[in-house]
Amino acid sequence: GQQLNQSPQSMFIQEGEDVSMNCTSSSIFNTWLWYKQDPGEGPVLLIALYKAGELTSNGRLTAQFGITRKDSFLNISASIPSDVGIYFCAGRGGSNYKLTFGKGTLLTVNP
Amino acid sequence: KAGVTQTPRYLIKTRGQQVTLSCSPISGHRSVSWYQQTPGQGLQFLFEYFSETQRNKGNFPGRFSGRQFSNSRSEMNVSTLELGDSALYLCASSRDRLTNEKLFFGSGTQLSVL
Repeated sequence: GQQLNQSPQSMFIQEGEDVSMNCTSSSIFNTWLWYKQDPGEGPVLLIALYKAGELTSNGRLTAQFGITRKDSFLNISASIPSDVGIYFCAGRGGSNYKLTFGKGTLLTVNP
Repeated sequence: KAGVTQTPRYLIKTRGQQVTLSCSPISGHRSVSWYQQTPGQGLQFLFEYFSETQRNKGNFPGRFSGRQFSNSRSEMNVSTLELGDSALYLCASSRDRLTNEKLFFGSGTQLSVL
């Protein structure tokens, strides 16, 4: 089956720093979705990507759909304390509707 | 537009009991998926329903079941609860089953099995 490797597992940064995380897949994906989850809440959709090479921004967040279609990146610029949470990537490939999720990146921002 | 609504928010049960969780998708959404989330395992796919039919199933025992009603609302049931079933159960909905659909999550039901 499809596998997603998300890294890093966790990050501890200072407020104001930029952050980068990525996901790689064992197979080609047609859709990449990035989510953020606060403690005790459900994941919230941040960015959706549909085309290889696509670069999409949402405020301080920027995500890219890798050219190989097997990876995606999420960058957060000028981090703030409310960026704290778990970030998940999710991908979908071929005709399979089911989403595959990464294990998440736990982000901690030190004020 | 209201988001995905899950009830109850918290639940405490004992081993051997059974539990039913409810999910109301976003209005107009016809696909409902369920996930189990635990600290060690991340988001594990349980099953997906569309047009009242189960379309996809994850690797969970038969104690986990679900159904979808004609108004797209969904329920999942866990029978003979075990301690390891303690988790956050998330429901997610999407408008259709196209591969470019976005998935929107509810806040989840936190189940504790004692």
